[in-house]
Order: sequence, then structure tokens, then C-alpha cells
Amino acid sequence: AQRVTQPEKLLSVFKGAPVELKCNYSYSGSPELFWYVQYSRQRLQLLLRHISRESIKGFTADLNKGETSFHLKKPFAQEEDSAMYYCALNTNAGKSTFGDGTTLTVKP
Amino acid sequence: DGGITQSPKYLFRKEGQNVTLSCEQNLNHDAMYWYRQDPGQGLRLIYYSQIVNDFQKGDIAEGYSVSREKKESFPLTVTSAQKNPTAFYLCASSMATGTNSPLHFGNGTRLTVT
Repeated sequence: AQRVTQPEKLLSVFKGAPVELKCNYSYSGSPELFWYVQYSRQRLQLLLRHISRESIKGFTADLNKGETSFHLKKPFAQEEDSAMYYCALNTNAGKSTFGDGTTLTVKP
Repeated sequence: DGGITQSPKYLFRKEGQNVTLSCEQNLNHDAMYWYRQDPGQGLRLIYYSQIVNDFQKGDIAEGYSVSREKKESFPLTVTSAQKNPTAFYLCASSMATGTNSPLHFGNGTRLTVT
């Protein structure tokens, strides 16, 4: 069975500091991984996906199949990055499995 | 304005009553999903549907039922058999059931059962 683990429930950094939100997964097939974000009073939305290999709002995430990780990184955190972040895994069966989420707080 | 609409935003019910949560999408997406979100537990999949008139159980389907009679609609019924129904419910859709399709979410319905 597939599983997504986000080890940090809460993460707090100062503005301008680097930030890394960890995500590890277990899945026997070929995974497709996503990061979703939920800002205050907004709906959950896609931040970025592994297959796109793009940077969104300064965030990047690299799939490391050897370590089964998909950590989300940003070199200089901004206050507007404060939100709840979810890592998710899509399987061939069409199911999306989510981690428990990490609440990021960026302090001024 | 395309998107997913969940209604109502807040719902209150007495224990023992069934209640149906509405989810409508105008994105022309094939797949639709229902998740339950509890504090500290992330999103857990209740049911999903890849095509009209077909749906599959997710990880926590007990006490819930769904229907998919129309492509744009995927209502969720929380039955009296659900032992702990008070939660935040999220509906989502995706373009296809392939692995590369991200989910689009509604604003959610907060159900309180007393």
C-alpha cells in the first residue's frame, strides 16, 4: 500500500531564511508526486508537481527515488509563504494519497 | 467561473440522521473524489469515481455512500452508521485518472453532528 509521510507537523522559520518541508513516500510502482498548499481562508490548491520540474513561487522539489523523498525547498522564505503544505502521491489506480501536512510559519 | 462548488459550507445534524453533502464541478473533469480532513490527520480518501455510474471505495468508506449519475455531480451521504461523522469534508476533481493529473478542490463542508 502507498504511504506518504511528512515528519514535521509544524515548521517555523524567519523571513529570508531557507526552508525545507520534508516528504517521504512508500510505493512499489512508479510514483507521481505533488505538493499542495492551503493559505488561510483559501481552498487547497496545487503548488507544484514532480513531472513539471518547475519552480513555483520560488519553491522547488526534486524527486529522489533512492531515498524515496520529495522535499519542498525555498532558499529565502517570505511571510506570504505561511500556510499548510501537503505532499501527495498519485498511483496507477487513480488514487491520491496525502501526507498529514506541515504548517509553515514564516516570522518577520 | 470554472471550479468546484460544495454546499453547504456548514451543516449541522442530529445523531442518527443521514445527511447529503453536495459537490458540483463545471471543469468537465472525469474523476471526482471525496476526502475527509481531521486535525493532524491530513486528508483521507472516502470514495472516488473515475467515470459516470461507477465509483470505488477509498480508505475510509464505511458509513458513507456516493452516487455518480452525472459527470458534474458527486454527492456524498454520511449515514447514521458512520461512527464519528463530525469533520471537514473536501470534494475534488481531476481531468483524468492518470497519475499526472492534479486535483482541484472545493472549499469544503464542515459537518457537525450532535
